[in-house]
Amino acid sequence: QLQLQESGPGLVKPSETLSLTCNVSGGSINSSTHYWGWIRQPPGKGLEWIGCIFYTGSTYYNPSLKSRVTISMAPSRDQFSLKVTSVTAADTAVYYCARARYSGFGSQFEYWGQGTLLTVSS
Amino acid sequence: AIQVTQSPSSLSASVGDRVTITCRASQDIGRDLGWYQQRPGKAPKLLIYAASSLQSGVPSRFSGSGSGTDFTLTITSLQPEDFATYYCLQDYNYLWTFGQGTKVEIK
Repeated sequence: QLQLQESGPGLVKPSETLSLTCNVSGGSINSSTHYWGWIRQPPGKGLEWIGCIFYTGSTYYNPSLKSRVTISMAPSRDQFSLKVTSVTAADTAVYYCARARYSGFGSQFEYWGQGTLLTVSS
Repeated sequence: AIQVTQSPSSLSASVGDRVTITCRASQDIGRDLGWYQQRPGKAPKLLIYAASSLQSGVPSRFSGSGSGTDFTLTITSLQPEDFATYYCLQDYNYLWTFGQGTKVEIK
């Protein structure tokens, strides 16, 4: 059974860089039929897609965040990571990592991590 | 970027009711849409992919329909565990966009 687990600092100061890692177990990150993504949810609000990475290293980002976001992967460690620069209070959210499977009609997130709360505060 | 408008934002229903939630995309996305259920404090759970395909392990009272710009999630005979928030997610052309969410509450 595939499992994903987010890890990160929990608290980041305004203007600094947020860094999160997703550890994947029970499956390989080197897959030609899956995308690995990050989604966030501010407290009491809806879901926001941040971006995805494919095993080739190709990345896809939410246009509203693209200038501040980088997603990378470390296949040998079955990990992928998220960096968000110049954070503000608006970046406070629960951050989820997830795996999307290509079905022939798009790619939906079938496996999710439990989520990690990241707070931006001085 | 493709916008997705989900409605209603909330609804009240009773156990046994039939519930319908809709999502409208700002352009034709074919069948590149899924539906998720999220309970408080939990990660979202995939219910429907490719607009109408039931994810493995999901009860058959959940169904999806639509293509192009208009999509529907239907829950027949609402159960106590179905009171949650539901989201649609379009993923056309490698850009994913969530709907705003629909909170299904107990009447």
